[in-house]
Amino acid sequence: EAQVTQNPRYLITVTGKKLTVTCSQNMNHEYMSWYRQDPGLGLRQIYYSMNVEVTDKGDVPEGYKVSRKEKRNFPLILESPSPNQTSLYFCASSPRAGTEAFFGQGTRLTVV
Amino acid sequence: GENVEQHPSTLSVQEGDSAVIKCTYSDSASNYFPWYKQELGKGPQLIIDIRSNVGEKKDQRIAVTLNKTAKHFSLHITETQPEDSAVYFCAASMGAGGTSYGKLTFGQGTILTVHP
Repeated sequence: EAQVTQNPRYLITVTGKKLTVTCSQNMNHEYMSWYRQDPGLGLRQIYYSMNVEVTDKGDVPEGYKVSRKEKRNFPLILESPSPNQTSLYFCASSPRAGTEAFFGQGTRLTVV
Repeated sequence: GENVEQHPSTLSVQEGDSAVIKCTYSDSASNYFPWYKQELGKGPQLIIDIRSNVGEKKDQRIAVTLNKTAKHFSLHITETQPEDSAVYFCAASMGAGGTSYGKLTFGQGTILTVHP
């Protein structure tokens, strides 16, 4: 089944404790991205990747890191999480930039 | 960069009525306009999209219209059903050549409730 898989689905952590949210797609898509969803703000892009080893900042990159060592994986790293990073996070992949985005199920992160 | 405004933020209709959600965008370089439906506890899912060389597109009860001159596009749902209740997002994406090529900029979302 074609899908984007995120893990974990739910995470509660403490301020400053490094964490990684994994994202994997099995559709051989070139373009991958991370979004955060906050009430009243829609989805805002954090980082994106046009292909392996090619990543760039989105609209809200502060406090986040990403890497794209393999085509299928695009992890999101929070080196030192803070409470303002409490949000619902989505990973998405597209065949190419500017085409349909397929979203994962989301990761609800709470930083206390 | 691109800015997408979506209205209304909430929409309540009776089953069988039509629902219309409107979006405006700011950058004339945008050329791809998808609409996503997000059900509770799930990720957004594409329901229909349109490219800038087309003015209207239909898929059963769903249609999207695009006015490039005015820089706005709309989602129309006819004969609404309770299972249409969800959050709907519009988005705009730029074509190749721009610094934001392929980036999706989303509207704020519309909570649609269809009452039986």
